Amino acid sequence: ETGVTQSPTHLIKTRGQQVTLRCSSQSGHNTVSWYQQALGQGPQFIFQYYREEENGRGNFPPRFSGLQFPNYSSELNVNALELDDSALYLCASSEAAGLLRGTEAFFGQGTRLTVV
Amino acid sequence: AQSVSQHNHHVILSEAASLELGCNYSYGGTVNLFWYVQYPGQHLQLLLKYFSGDPLVKGIKGFEAEFIKSKFSFNLRKPSVQWSDTAEYFCAVRSPVSGGYNKLIFGAGTRLAVHP
Repeated sequence: ETGVTQSPTHLIKTRGQQVTLRCSSQSGHNTVSWYQQALGQGPQFIFQYYREEENGRGNFPPRFSGLQFPNYSSELNVNALELDDSALYLCASSEAAGLLRGTEAFFGQGTRLTVV
Repeated sequence: AQSVSQHNHHVILSEAASLELGCNYSYGGTVNLFWYVQYPGQHLQLLLKYFSGDPLVKGIKGFEAEFIKSKFSFNLRKPSVQWSDTAEYFCAVRSPVSGGYNKLIFGAGTRLAVHP
């Protein structure tokens, strides 16, 4: 177990709907990153939150948004769901660090989102 | 753009066979390198990591990897695989990104099946 928990584990939504996914980070970690893992692919970076601010974003449209709360837990929101949004969504927590500190990211078990 | 290439998408081995999974990355500066494993139905787990120092890195469960800077490679090896090594393996690179945050860039993964 990594100490990173995500909810729900599975979710089915209809195209056009909105969804909120949740993540509780590991104790002592103030940085949360979200990744999308489509079937047969590696995880792709969506964005990162550090101390409640988004401080980095991958190549995802604005309908993917997030929040980080004072306890460092986080939400991923996706509006206007499309069929291609069907994927495993992973949350990872870590200590804020540059390369020199060499910290690692700990992943949750993911939320499997199916859009129909 | 930074990228990570894993050469083998599917590998099938018999127990006790040796394993080598290839990984090449495209970024030429300072990098952190990782191998993650995803067992069926479980979260991504860190196998090993390279930040600096000895380019031969030993991880959990008998895995090791060698960082060869001149070849931009970080291949994963295990001398003798077991049935329990059946899983998907991901190589990942972390490098500095403008704006002060860091993200993991994953390869597409290699699905390993070990037969008794």
